[in-house]
Amino acid sequence: DTEVTQTPKHLVMGMTNKKSLKCEQHMGHRAMYWYKQKAKKPPELMFVYSYEKLSINESVPSRFSPECPNSSLLNLHLHALQPEDSALYLCASSQPSGGRAKFFGPGTRLTVL
Amino acid sequence: AQSVAQPEDQVNVAEGNPLTVKCTYSVSGNPYLFWYVQYPNRGLQFLLKYITGDNLVKGSYGFEAEFNKSQTSFHLKKPSALGSDSALYFCAVRFPYGQNFVFGPGTRLSVLP
Repeated sequence: DTEVTQTPKHLVMGMTNKKSLKCEQHMGHRAMYWYKQKAKKPPELMFVYSYEKLSINESVPSRFSPECPNSSLLNLHLHALQPEDSALYLCASSQPSGGRAKFFGPGTRLTVL
Repeated sequence: AQSVAQPEDQVNVAEGNPLTVKCTYSVSGNPYLFWYVQYPNRGLQFLLKYITGDNLVKGSYGFEAEFNKSQTSFHLKKPSALGSDSALYFCAVRFPYGQNFVFGPGTRLSVLP
């Protein structure tokens, strides 16, 4: 299985809602990532989990809260988002060592009203 | 400062002609180099990588890339373009002891009939 899955595919939420994005992989990867991507721009790293521990937080606002319940799952909890947070949110996984490719999920298209 | 450049925002090529998407980088040390492709509203798909060894790397869907250390370049190539190659292409650099990629800004490839 060489796939990273993400749910939901699309999400529309108001600024007062609480929602969660989910990501799953069964490739045995021990590093998982959240990226934010605006249209026609490269992905921007948000968080990195390595061996289920948060290792990188790229100064992301606290309205985004990541969680890694186990080595296969990664969640991103959303609360009180702003319209400018609307974007494609990508999950990726890899082995932690530098030469390994990252495998990306299809993304969740988030719209904040 | 570490950076990745893709000097062309847009590349147009006729179907059946060879294509080249350019990437140059400015980093210290010996980074790992990657190419990804992204179709509309989809995640990034891994094409190929250079870690060490032969400067010509072959990847998925008939793509290859040539690493040139003296020019700090890693250009993506394909001998004969297909319409299905039309997409957004990202070059990325990763360091041996880091977990993050530095992505280039992306190049939109259009294969014209």
